[in-house]
Amino acid sequence: AQKVTQAQTEISVVEKEDVTLDCVYETRDTTYYLFWYKQPPSGELVFLIRRNSFDEQNEISGRYSWNFQKSTSSFNFTITASQVVDSAVYFCALSGGDSNYQLIWGAGTKLIIKP
Amino acid sequence: NAGVMQNPRHLVRRRGQEARLRCSPMKGHSHVYWYRQLPEEGLKFMVYLQKENIIDESGMPKERFSAEFPKEGPSILRIQQVVRGDSAAYFCASLRQDSGNTIYFGEGSWLTVV
Repeated sequence: AQKVTQAQTEISVVEKEDVTLDCVYETRDTTYYLFWYKQPPSGELVFLIRRNSFDEQNEISGRYSWNFQKSTSSFNFTITASQVVDSAVYFCALSGGDSNYQLIWGAGTKLIIKP
Repeated sequence: NAGVMQNPRHLVRRRGQEARLRCSPMKGHSHVYWYRQLPEEGLKFMVYLQKENIIDESGMPKERFSAEFPKEGPSILRIQQVVRGDSAAYFCASLRQDSGNTIYFGEGSWLTVV
């Protein structure tokens, strides 16, 4: 069975601190995709990143970086020098490699950045 | 993300009424997914549709819920005889098969049952 676990329900940090959001997944597929989405208070879902199971290179995009480690089945997300606008709920998701792109979602981590 | 259009953004229904939520996928996308997000929870898959076909409805409640994606026009998620527990955000997402498995979401439709 596929499963995504985001153990951190809520994280609160002061602006400019670095923060890491954890994501651990379970799957028996050899080909799969991992995603991070951001849901700001306005409610929409914003796509952040997609990573396939064969690409373990870490990704950096501005203040955002992702660490994918197949050995520990983790796909963690780090925000460097956090800003108040980063406050949102962040979801990690997993999809299998077949033609049914059903996403399995983590419960989300609510990130609060205090000024 | 703005390419997936959902309406209405907010809908209030009394118990027993019907709710219809519409979704127009991004241009060129022929696959539509509906997800439900209950308060304080993550998203749960409901149904996966292609034009005129339901591919996977394993996440749909057995009663009162239906979805369609006609040849012309938007995809529609229909909830009959709504109950308070149907209050949730309903997200539509679309995918183009050659887009590398990236699913883009609409802004969501918030249903409140009073």
